[in-house]
Amino acid sequence: EIVLTQSPGTLSLSPGERATLYCRASQSVSSSSLAWFQQKSGQTPRLLIYGASSRATGIPDRFSGSGSGTDFTLTISRLEPEDFAVYYCQQCERSPWTFGQGTKVEI
Amino acid sequence: EVQLVQSGAEVKKAGESLEISCEGSGYSFSTFWIGWVRQLPGKGLEWIGIIYPDDSDTRYNPSLQDQVTISADKSISTAYLRWSSLKASDTGMYFCARVRSVIVPRRHFVYHDYWGQGTLVSVSS
Repeated sequence: EIVLTQSPGTLSLSPGERATLYCRASQSVSSSSLAWFQQKSGQTPRLLIYGASSRATGIPDRFSGSGSGTDFTLTISRLEPEDFAVYYCQQCERSPWTFGQGTKVEI
Repeated sequence: EVQLVQSGAEVKKAGESLEISCEGSGYSFSTFWIGWVRQLPGKGLEWIGIIYPDDSDTRYNPSLQDQVTISADKSISTAYLRWSSLKASDTGMYFCARVRSVIVPRRHFVYHDYWGQGTLVSVSS
């Protein structure tokens, strides 16, 4: 099983600041199969990034993804109040598909 | 418009059986894999498995395979998650999510794109 480890566990920032979230895989993952999701409290996960760096439909360009192999990054260039949430990475390359444990972005 | 609509919240006792559903609309249900993801209280997302409705090919997370059964009825565009004997530890939110598979030159994208609203399952001991 591919284990995804996200860091940091919690990121305390202010609106307007830059957020950098990390996702490290226990073995190499195709970037085509790495996605990022946002989940607000009590809500359904929302796809932000697929293929490590492609923004999903309707996602603002302040969200960007990068990385390859075992190291992937989600960057939020300037935090908006609605961006405070939990973010998960997921790999869909090898079964079982796995999620990271999440990074909470809080004020 | 693609939509996944899940069945309502359930309150059950340990040992009871349960089946929850996820109805897809706005796309060709049979030809997209659809999966289930669980979220235990206060915890992260955990992938349960996926099914291809056209032929019912199914893949499970080995850690959960003995606990649940995934099925689908393509004639009514509905996927199911079933427990034969619930445990208190099954309490949580369960989401269905469509799988998008896109092949372009030199790349094959695979990801969950559309999600259901979630079904809350509460099991008392």
